[in-house]
Amino acid sequence: AQSVTQPDIHITVSEGASLELRCNYSYGATPYLFWYVQSPGQGLQLLLKYFSGDTLVQGIKGFEAEFKRSQSSFNLRKPSVHWSDAAEYFCAVGEVRGGYNKLIFGAGTRLAVHP
Amino acid sequence: SQTIHQWPATLVQPVGSPLSLECTVEGTSNPNLYWYRQAAGRGLQLLFYSVGIGQISSEVPQNLSASRPQDRQFILSSKKLLLSDSGFYLCAKRDRTEGYTFGSGTRLTVV
Repeated sequence: AQSVTQPDIHITVSEGASLELRCNYSYGATPYLFWYVQSPGQGLQLLLKYFSGDTLVQGIKGFEAEFKRSQSSFNLRKPSVHWSDAAEYFCAVGEVRGGYNKLIFGAGTRLAVHP
Repeated sequence: SQTIHQWPATLVQPVGSPLSLECTVEGTSNPNLYWYRQAAGRGLQLLFYSVGIGQISSEVPQNLSASRPQDRQFILSSKKLLLSDSGFYLCAKRDRTEGYTFGSGTRLTVV
């Protein structure tokens, strides 16, 4: 079965600092990879996704992620964090099993931003 | 998301009471529909998914059930709630044009 690991449960950065959130996946074929953000008490918003092609993916709100097959990673980055980026971030892999599509999520990383 | 409607937004229920959470979706017909749960301090766990009317697959054994009486309606139910059923429940859909879309969620507290 596919799995997603987000090693960092909590991360705190200063406003204006760079950010990298780690994500490792386990998947036999070329994965469909996603990053979502969840503000407190809200649903999920898609930041970016990777299906194929260029391994560096640009998303909304200034985020980007790089797919590295050799490391089974899809880390999320932002060069300069804003206070409004404080939220929980989820990495996910799209699984197809028996003709059914599902999203398998990591446990999430909660980001706090200090002024 | 404007294409997924979940209600209620918050719910407080006593242990042993029944539950019915409703999700309706807009957009293309015959989408895949999903129920996820996020327990406090934990990630998102897939509970049920449906590929069509009356077709429900359960991912984990639990105190909950799901039904899809209409193409764009997905219902999460329980006959008797447990304390461990507390959490944030998200409905999601997948279709060929929009990919995955999530609702705004229902926060359930069982007391």
